[in-house]
Amino acid sequence: DAKTTQPNSMESNEEEPVHLPCNHSTISGTDYIHWYRQLPSQGPEYVIHGLTSNVNNRMASLAIAEDRKSSTLILHRATLRDAAVYYCILRSFPSTGGSQGNLIFGKGTKLSVKP
Amino acid sequence: KAGVTQTPRYLIKTRGQQVTLSCSPISGHRSVSWYQQTPGQGLQFLFEYFSETQRNKGNFPGRFSGRQFSNSRSEMNVSTLELGDSALYLCASSPRDRSNTEAFFGQGTRLTVV
Repeated sequence: DAKTTQPNSMESNEEEPVHLPCNHSTISGTDYIHWYRQLPSQGPEYVIHGLTSNVNNRMASLAIAEDRKSSTLILHRATLRDAAVYYCILRSFPSTGGSQGNLIFGKGTKLSVKP
Repeated sequence: KAGVTQTPRYLIKTRGQQVTLSCSPISGHRSVSWYQQTPGQGLQFLFEYFSETQRNKGNFPGRFSGRQFSNSRSEMNVSTLELGDSALYLCASSPRDRSNTEAFFGQGTRLTVV
């Protein structure tokens, strides 16, 4: 499975934008880029995913580089509730008859938000 | 719609015993995956089931097994427990077995082996 590289930790101030980077230089053409986050004492929570184009949803935006070797998760206005570990994951598109359901988690980026 | 439910939430077992953990996916979801989370190894994939069939298996010993029932509920079993099996066990469900689909995680079962 392709690997991702993320900074171990980042800090942000409340109500400011946060850009969480992820490098995935060995990404293949059919890999989807997924982001999950895990708040303390909870299971991971889906944030967003994309393939080639930038994506927006109510939680965040995902900016994908043109060569797809890196991506950035953007939280437009960080809140204290956004303090979590953020995981960038590549998920392979399944081949015919197969299933690639598992997520390969790295160490993620621990985001701290200061009031 | 109810989320993914895992039972029990907490469990304490003795070395050598076996344990069964349960996961009820979101209604309509047919794919269920299991993960182990420890401070040292992070989140590691255990296995994935879709329509009662194991599709993928992670790099864990045979003491770890699982199954999925016709109603998509899943159980995982760990036999001959070791101290190193102490971890948070997480279950995730997805509506389809496709990589462009999000997974929904439960709160996990905290297993402590003493």
